[in-house]
Amino acid sequence: GQQLNQSPQSMFIQEGEDVSMNCTSSSIFNTWLWYKQEPGEGPVLLIALYKAGELTSNGRLTAQFGITRKDSFLNISASIPSDVGIYFCAGRNYGGSQGNLIFGKGTKLSVKP
Amino acid sequence: NAGVTQTPKFQVLKTGQSMTLQCAQDMNHEYMSWYRQDPGMGLRLIHYSVGAGITDQGEVPNGYNVSRSTTEDFPLRLLSAAPSQTSVYFCATGGRPNYGYTFGSGTRLTVV
Repeated sequence: GQQLNQSPQSMFIQEGEDVSMNCTSSSIFNTWLWYKQEPGEGPVLLIALYKAGELTSNGRLTAQFGITRKDSFLNISASIPSDVGIYFCAGRNYGGSQGNLIFGKGTKLSVKP
Repeated sequence: NAGVTQTPKFQVLKTGQSMTLQCAQDMNHEYMSWYRQDPGMGLRLIHYSVGAGITDQGEVPNGYNVSRSTTEDFPLRLLSAAPSQTSVYFCATGGRPNYGYTFGSGTRLTVV
């Protein structure tokens, strides 16, 4: 089946640093989504991307839909302690099973004050 | 304004027991799904439904049953629990194919 490769697996950074993480796939996706999960909670949608090349921001977060439609990245600028959590990318291909989302394995972000 | 409600939040089962994980949504979404989350494995799709009366299997359906008699509810049944089903289970809903999902807060299940 389709798989998403998300990297890095984990990051330990200092408060104020910028963060970059990405997802790649061997298949084309029509939609890329980025989620954040905090301990004990379900994932929460951060950014949704619907067009190849699209660059979208949500506060200090910026995500891009790769031109090849096989990758996406998420940047976080000037990290703060509340950015801690697991970040998941997810892709959707309408040619797949009813357009179900496929998730990467997550990037665990730790921020040192 | 609850969104997606999952119950229970925590559950411990003995091997062979059965139980139902409940999921209810008040968003009038057609699409509902169940995922399990295991360390290092991300979120894996168990079953999904595109509307009342319609269900289908996801990536890891074995050992789980679902039904969708109403738009609001999508229960997940474990018929005979096994230790391999120890996991955190998330229910998610979506309004249209283009929309991102809204997740519940999860059910942490331990099978001993």
